[in-house]
Amino acid sequence: DTAVSQTPKYLVTQMGNDKSIKCEQNLGHDTMYWYKQDSKKFLKIMFSYNNKELIINETVPNRFSPKSPDKAHLNLHINSLELGDSAVYFCASSHGSSGLGRPYEQYFGPGTRLTVT
Amino acid sequence: KNEVEQSPQNLTAQEGEFITINCSYSVGISALHWLQQHPGGGIVSLFMLSSGKKKHGRLIATINIQEKHSSLHITASHPRDSAVYICAVPGFGNEKLTFGTGTRLTIIP
Repeated sequence: DTAVSQTPKYLVTQMGNDKSIKCEQNLGHDTMYWYKQDSKKFLKIMFSYNNKELIINETVPNRFSPKSPDKAHLNLHINSLELGDSAVYFCASSHGSSGLGRPYEQYFGPGTRLTVT
Repeated sequence: KNEVEQSPQNLTAQEGEFITINCSYSVGISALHWLQQHPGGGIVSLFMLSSGKKKHGRLIATINIQEKHSSLHITASHPRDSAVYICAVPGFGNEKLTFGTGTRLTIIP
């Protein structure tokens, strides 16, 4: 059983389209994250949710909107896709609450490679 | 903001060699993460450590909190160890991770 799963694995779309990436974890974790890995392989956090509540929101364009219907799911919707959005997007999850300072190990999904043409 | 630096950026070694990858950070932390990214792209958490040393198989991670430095060692390296190794540190008071730029390790048979 996959602990953190993402769909789709690959996504090719044209500029201006709207697309969603889905993430699900079956680990019983309270906190979920979205990361972006650019073409230089540098990872950067985008969002973090704890028990469906937004905890971290980095300086990400408001074309990106995360949605957490329950604590096992964190989806990422992107409006008006741009060429610069091409990247690999990773979902991750961990126990505990962001903001309390206690560190928790994070478990990553397989990634979604988004290509905007 | 915590600045995270890794060295070397690229490392090529022969099978069987002892490997060391270094990570330095600028602001005191509660714990440091070592991650492995396979050539296929998947990311696996190897270690999370707050002090001293942790060992898992042929992998050893050490951290010196005072010097703000961590090392990842691989003993008896094998071609399947070829991957990108990334260290990451949380921001103070939250889980927001800042990542190093990664070390690309290639082990030649």
